[in-house]
Amino acid sequence: EPEVTQTPSHQVTQMGQEVILRCVPISNHLYFYWYRQILGQKVEFLVSFYNNEISEKSEIFDDQFSVERPDGSNFTLKIRSTKLEDSAMYFCASRQEAWSYTFGSGTRLTVV
Amino acid sequence: AQSVTQLDSQVPVFEEAPVELRCNYSSSVSVYLFWYVQYPNQGLQLLLKYLSGSTLVKGINGFEAEFNKSQTSFHLRKPSVHISDTAEYFCAVSFSRRALTFGSGTRLQVQP
Repeated sequence: EPEVTQTPSHQVTQMGQEVILRCVPISNHLYFYWYRQILGQKVEFLVSFYNNEISEKSEIFDDQFSVERPDGSNFTLKIRSTKLEDSAMYFCASRQEAWSYTFGSGTRLTVV
Repeated sequence: AQSVTQLDSQVPVFEEAPVELRCNYSSSVSVYLFWYVQYPNQGLQLLLKYLSGSTLVKGINGFEAEFNKSQTSFHLRKPSVHISDTAEYFCAVSFSRRALTFGSGTRLQVQP
């Protein structure tokens, strides 16, 4: 069964550093998403991406965040200057027109 | 305001007993409804979804859910649970075909 692949599985970074989280969505999917889950809390929407542009974003997705689909396969989330409160599990997801999201296994980001 | 509420943060149940996990939403717009399961240290797996049609939806692992428009609810049920069903369960809603909004989750604890 096709999977959404996320790398790395765990990343530790110092406060103020830039991080890039990487995702390889399912190849024929058209819509791409980033969600995050702070430990013990609910899953929160960050941003959606369609047709090479952001289609929707939440209040969390401020100027510190950016997304990119640099080639035909990767989908990245960049955090420019990490804060302690950015520590969370970040999930990438993708879907076709039909509403069946496939989520990746996540990247656990720890900011120290 | 649009919101998703999972009324129970934890539900303990004995093995082979039935279970219902509750989900209510607040919205005046059209909705798509989903249930996801998250096993420890894993990503989100789709259990079932309601987009249109029959209000009783059957999913994987013997789960089913019923959409009740008048009650704005989408409760998840299983007639007989197993130890392996122990996990966190998230209700999610797409309001007007936008990105998913998740509830806070219900931890199902199946005891022998």
